Amino acid sequence: GQQVMQIPQYQHVQEGEDFTTYCNSSTTLSNIQWYKQRPGGHPVFLIQLVKSGEVKKQKRLTFQFGEAKKNSSLHITATQTTDVGTYFCAGTNTGNQFYFGTGTSLTVIP
Amino acid sequence: EADIYQTPRYLVIGTGKKITLECSQTMGHDKMYWYQQDPGMELHLIHYSYGVNSTEKGDLSSESTVSRIRTEHFPLTLESARPSHTSQYLCASRQTGRNTEAFFGQGTRLTVV
Repeated sequence: GQQVMQIPQYQHVQEGEDFTTYCNSSTTLSNIQWYKQRPGGHPVFLIQLVKSGEVKKQKRLTFQFGEAKKNSSLHITATQTTDVGTYFCAGTNTGNQFYFGTGTSLTVIP
Repeated sequence: EADIYQTPRYLVIGTGKKITLECSQTMGHDKMYWYQQDPGMELHLIHYSYGVNSTEKGDLSSESTVSRIRTEHFPLTLESARPSHTSQYLCASRQTGRNTEAFFGQGTRLTVV
């Protein structure tokens, strides 16, 4: 069945270090979305990528969608304590099924 | 702010009790989902619906049931709660279409004792 895996599962970084989470799908996706869930909160939509090879930026966050539309990455430059949380990718496959990735939990050490 | 609401926010209940977790959205979304999640962990899809009178089971085996009699309402029922059901339950909705984002409710944190 459809699988959307994220690595790493957990990441601890010193404040100021960079962070990257990778999202890999077993099948081609129509789009990829990224969500952030703060501790104790619920996932909140960050961004969507639709085109092959697309790159989008939001301040210190850079999102990429792979050329084959089967993988994606989220890179945070110079992490801050406010970046703490779990980051999920989510994709829609060609059958219009919507799946969340397994998530990456980020801890930022002040 | 998303117009999707879950009640109750917290619930402690005894083993064997029947419970219903409520989820309502006022955005007119056709697609609704229920996820089970332990803190900071993976979102496990337990049920989804693509419209009124449409319900499907998700990837996670669950002893719960859902109904979708009205577009805005998607309640989740546990016929007999067990300690293994202790978790957070998140409801989400999306507009029809491929490129639409999911909106989540605040979640219900369930503890079965």
